[in-house]
Amino acid sequence: AQSVSQHNHHVILSEAASLELGCNYSYGGTVNLFWYVQYPGQHLQLLLKYFSGDPLVKGIKGFEAEFIKSKFSFNLRKPSVQWSDTAEYFCAVRLSGGYNKLIFGAGTRLAVHP
Amino acid sequence: SAVISQKPSRDICQRGTSLTIQCQVDSQVTMMFWYRQQPGQSLTLIATANQGSEATYESGFVIDKFPISRPNLTFSTLTVSNMSPEDSSIYLCSVAATRSRGNTEAFFGQGTRLTVV
Repeated sequence: AQSVSQHNHHVILSEAASLELGCNYSYGGTVNLFWYVQYPGQHLQLLLKYFSGDPLVKGIKGFEAEFIKSKFSFNLRKPSVQWSDTAEYFCAVRLSGGYNKLIFGAGTRLAVHP
Repeated sequence: SAVISQKPSRDICQRGTSLTIQCQVDSQVTMMFWYRQQPGQSLTLIATANQGSEATYESGFVIDKFPISRPNLTFSTLTVSNMSPEDSSIYLCSVAATRSRGNTEAFFGQGTRLTVV
């Protein structure tokens, strides 16, 4: 069955540190890839997405992610985190075939200390 | 983008009772989705609701437990029936909206936090 793995369940960083959150998926076909963020008490928001083209995608708030097809990965990065980045981050995959179902990873809870 | 309103935002319910969650979208959408997020776990799709047809349920979810209505293109309800403490979760409504170049994105409501006691 298709699945999405997020390697880090809980990450604690100091402000200005660099961030990389891992995401791997298991599916051999064409995929669309997403990172969602959920700030405390708020709903899920789209951070960035990959459909096709340049595998390095830039999202909001200085986040970026790189799609490496050979590694089935879509890791999220930010060179310098801020306290306001404290949130839970979800990687999600949509499979090809025109069906809009998303498969989510378990999420990574990020805490940034000032 | 699509703006989604869910009601209630949270509830505490007695076991054995049922709760109906409402999802209202500010634009017409073909497909609406209901997800569940159990404590400490990821989002899991319960079912897909298309207007004018019966909902399609994922493995492990059945209509008797999670009946869904989709009376029009902007509204859907999910009922959690005969609740037990194991049903304590956040339930989220989602829609797929196609943006430019045919790319489709998912938008989510704020969720309904359900606690069953």
